[in-house]
Amino acid sequence: DVKVTQSSRYLVKRTGEKVFLECVQDMDHENMFWYRQDPGLGLRLIYFSYDVKMKEKGDIPEGYSVSREKKERFSLILESASTNQTSMYLCASSISWTGELFFGEGSRLTVL
Amino acid sequence: EDQVTQSPEALRLQEGESSSLNCSYTVSGLRGLFWYRQDPGKGPEFLFTLYSAGEEKEKERLKATLTKKESFLHITAPKPEDSATYLCAVQANTGRRALTFGSGTRLQVQP
Repeated sequence: DVKVTQSSRYLVKRTGEKVFLECVQDMDHENMFWYRQDPGLGLRLIYFSYDVKMKEKGDIPEGYSVSREKKERFSLILESASTNQTSMYLCASSISWTGELFFGEGSRLTVL
Repeated sequence: EDQVTQSPEALRLQEGESSSLNCSYTVSGLRGLFWYRQDPGKGPEFLFTLYSAGEEKEKERLKATLTKKESFLHITAPKPEDSATYLCAVQANTGRRALTFGSGTRLQVQP
């Protein structure tokens, strides 16, 4: 079974802190994604990566950056956390562009 | 811009009461439409892929259908364990290949 592991299930941070969300997948998938999920807004794409060191902006990249130094690991970085970044963050991976995404269990971030 | 609208936002059914969830979409060219199930506190789990109008897919009590403008997820004789949020997503065949998701339908099946 494909496993996508997000390092933290729950985080509480203060405004202005730098936040790292880590995601690791164990199935050698080319593509990895970061989404945020908010009530009534569904899943919105922040960034995605289709290869090591490659990244593309999604629909809401402002305030975020990403890093993919190794194929299995995709990190989401909040350079200076703000309260409007309080959300559930979901990492996913896929083989090529099949559309069948494998999701992690999510990281619920609260910014105070 | 690709868009996905799901209705209703929430649906409460009695066990055994069949119903349908709707997913309306606009996309420049459809590569695929996808249904996912999400349980509380967990990430979404893939259910179906539909590629062309007229196509149908089935899994247990769920059947997904596709037209040129919308998809339906039919739930036949649901059980309490079918309670979850059901998400629809589309993938375009040009430009960005990442999925665009709807906001989901929260289904509750009461015994």
